[in-house]
Amino acid sequence: AQSVTQPDIHITVSEGASLELRCNYSYGATPYLFWYVQSPGQGLQLLLKYFSGDTLVQGIKGFEAEFKRSQSSFNLRKPSVHWSDAAEYFCAVGSTGGFKTIFGAGTRLFVKA
Amino acid sequence: GAGVSQSPSNKVTEKGKDVELRCDPISGHTALYWYRQSLGQGLEFLIYFQGNSAPDKSGLPSDRFSAERTGGSVSTLTIQRTQQEDSAVYLCASSLERNGYTFGSGTRLTVV
Repeated sequence: AQSVTQPDIHITVSEGASLELRCNYSYGATPYLFWYVQSPGQGLQLLLKYFSGDTLVQGIKGFEAEFKRSQSSFNLRKPSVHWSDAAEYFCAVGSTGGFKTIFGAGTRLFVKA
Repeated sequence: GAGVSQSPSNKVTEKGKDVELRCDPISGHTALYWYRQSLGQGLEFLIYFQGNSAPDKSGLPSDRFSAERTGGSVSTLTIQRTQQEDSAVYLCASSLERNGYTFGSGTRLTVV
């Protein structure tokens, strides 16, 4: 069965600092991997996705993520955080055999001036 | 439509009453999903539709929950005899193949 772990419930970074949000997944085959962002009072928005190919994927808003099969990880990164990035971030894994996607518990990002 | 539309955006209901939540997906999206997000929690999978059929209903919490989809489009999630633990935001999403989901803004359900 698929599962997703986001080890950090919340993270605080200074504006302009770099960011890395951790995500570990469990799935028997090559998974489909996603990162979503939920800003306060907003719906969930897809940041980026990995299906196959290049293990470093670029997304919207300057985010990127790297798929590391050996570590079962799909960490999200951004070189310089902006105050508007404060939100909740969800990692998700989808199975190749169907459409069901399992979400992690989320990491809330706080940005300090 | 341009996005996934959910109605109502907010619903307050008395314990024991039935509620219906509606989702209007993006036109042409064959897959439709329902998730539940409780306060401070992640997203809990409820059910997904491929066309009008529901290959995976494994996430429905109890037999008080049911969902249907008609015409490969609009879906309704029905909760019978609501309980306080049903209070949550119910999110609907649709997708075309496996390109990632487009979510609606959700229905915030409060059972009093």
